Amino acid sequence: TQLLEQSPQFLSIQEGENLTVYCNSSSVFSSLQWYRQEPGEGPVLLVTVVTGGEVKKLKRLTFQFGDARKDSSLHITAAQPGDTGLYLCAGALSQGAQKLVFGQGTRLTINP
Amino acid sequence: ETGVTQTPRHLVMGMTNKKSLKCEQHLGHNAMYWYKQSAKKPLELMFVYNFKEQTENNSVPSRFSPECPNSSHLFLHLHTLQPEDSALYLCASSQDVVAGYGEQFFGPGTRLTVL
Repeated sequence: TQLLEQSPQFLSIQEGENLTVYCNSSSVFSSLQWYRQEPGEGPVLLVTVVTGGEVKKLKRLTFQFGDARKDSSLHITAAQPGDTGLYLCAGALSQGAQKLVFGQGTRLTINP
Repeated sequence: ETGVTQTPRHLVMGMTNKKSLKCEQHLGHNAMYWYKQSAKKPLELMFVYNFKEQTENNSVPSRFSPECPNSSHLFLHLHTLQPEDSALYLCASSQDVVAGYGEQFFGPGTRLTVL
């Protein structure tokens, strides 16, 4: 049973388009993180959200934590080829939890 | 550069070989982790160390043996591996497993191929 479901699993779009990636669960998380992983590298932390309804922006990337802290979304505006990579969401079930629960990832390809 | 280094970056080994993966973090963190990432599965947590003590073993086969001599270094000793163990092995660190929001900082990984 996958605790964190990401959708879509694969997405290929043209440069300049907008997109949204979703991370959903039936569990409540104390915090949720988004990572981006490029081929041959480890995941790099993009953002942490901790408050229900919280919205954080990182240049063209907008992250939202659901009001009930069970889901999150990542929206990219005017996607660039440099946005290509594997996007992972990960949640902590409690503050101080030893483990992060990872989604299976969304593999994003931005075509020039 | 995330402050977490891993060596080697690539490793090819036979099923009878013994090898070790090394991880070092330069972030002053107290918790370190080993993950396995394969093509068809999400990131799988293998081991957690907090202040050099192992606090999590996620039912990992004994052919994988971790070692954490101090909070900055983590090793994964490998012996008699199987071809299905071929994967990207990632090391990560965090401030503390108790404090904070669990943000983890990953190394670049070791791409392991078992022949």
